[in-house]
Amino acid sequence: GIQVEQSPPDLILQEGANSTLRCNFSDSVNNLQWFHQNPWGQLINLFYIPSGTKQNGRLSATTVATERYSLLYISSSQTTDSGVYFCAVRAGGTSYGKLTFGQGTILTVHP
Amino acid sequence: GAVVSQHPSRVICKSGTSVKIECRSLDFQATTMFWYRQFPKKSLMLMATSNEGSKATYEQGVEKDKFLINHASLTLSTLTVTSAHPEDSSFYICSARAGGRGYNEQFFGPGTRLTVL
Repeated sequence: GIQVEQSPPDLILQEGANSTLRCNFSDSVNNLQWFHQNPWGQLINLFYIPSGTKQNGRLSATTVATERYSLLYISSSQTTDSGVYFCAVRAGGTSYGKLTFGQGTILTVHP
Repeated sequence: GAVVSQHPSRVICKSGTSVKIECRSLDFQATTMFWYRQFPKKSLMLMATSNEGSKATYEQGVEKDKFLINHASLTLSTLTVTSAHPEDSSFYICSARAGGRGYNEQFFGPGTRLTVL
């Protein structure tokens, strides 16, 4: 099956810093989503981005499907950005749309 | 929009009992829902795909007689952990796929934390 690798596994920042999270995948995809899992376990949808670039406030994401990677940018980080960030993909040809998750990046933002 | 709820949020049960977890799409219809399991500090692992009106599709290694899935309507899927044991303790999360053909965004419920004593 498709492999999804996220880097870095852990990231520690001071409030106000910028960061880039990366997601590499091993095969073609027709869905890619970025999530933020908060301390209570809820996954919050950040981006649905199988290709192209999107921005939402301080967050933006870019997926280069032909090179099999996606990047999540966080600018001017805040303590509330802390948590686990997951990338998940649906491989092309996968039935029913099931997602394969990466191992996540644990982000800690200090005040 | 695209809100998914789960009930209960937390359950503690004795070994040998069965536990039912409900997953509802509140503001959209979902022909397909998904059940995931997450261990502490780990990623999400897909357990099964639930399709309205048909049998669920289980991932390799997931016991279908242990984890019963029923997708009775376009807004409700249930996961029943039968004869639960301590090793079934975990965080169970459901998701539902929104949108029409060609649009595959999934939205997740808040999760159910199961503890089996």
